Amino acid sequence: AQSVTQLGSHVSVSEGALVLLRCNYSSSVPPYLFWYVQYPNQGLQLLLKYTTGATLVKGINGFEAEFKKSETSFHLTKPSAHMSDAAEYFCAVGSSGGYNKLIFGAGTRLAVHP
Amino acid sequence: SQTIHQWPATLVQPVGSPLSLECTVEGTSNPNLYWYRQAAGRGLQLLFYSVGIGQISSEVPQNLSASRPQDRQFILSSKKLLLSDSGFYLCAWSVGFGGEKLFFGSGTQLSVL
Repeated sequence: AQSVTQLGSHVSVSEGALVLLRCNYSSSVPPYLFWYVQYPNQGLQLLLKYTTGATLVKGINGFEAEFKKSETSFHLTKPSAHMSDAAEYFCAVGSSGGYNKLIFGAGTRLAVHP
Repeated sequence: SQTIHQWPATLVQPVGSPLSLECTVEGTSNPNLYWYRQAAGRGLQLLFYSVGIGQISSEVPQNLSASRPQDRQFILSSKKLLLSDSGFYLCAWSVGFGGEKLFFGSGTQLSVL
């Protein structure tokens, strides 16, 4: 079975500050890991994903995440927050089998203030 | 290019009424299709997925059902809505297995009153 825990349902940062959104996963098989972003009243958009290979993954809008197997973590970071980054972020875990049934975390709402 | 259409965008229904939400995908063949629900303040919960016409897998027991009458059409239904069915419903599709990403529709906000 797989599961995802996102630490912190709400995160608030100042514009220009570091963004760190935490995600820990549980998986009995090698995981595939994803970060999605959701803007108000919209569907989800993929930010980045990790399947195999390099553990530091770069995504869109300046975000990146590092897969740390020893810590079962896949935290999302951005060096400098922008007002347009305000949204809800979801971490998800999948695997090589199972028809892409992604298991999502509860989400973290990011607020960016001037 | 591939697109996914989901409608209606918002829906207000009384308790006990039926429900039908529709999702269609264009520009791809034999996609995997999914229905997710996002309850207020909670994450996304996978409700149903389908790997082909007439093939539906349910992830959680509930008051809802799904059908796939055509390759690129996925319908979420209920005979009698409950208050607890309120939420934001998202349709999604993918191709292949494993590390392929999901493409989401714009969602339907359902309020059951």
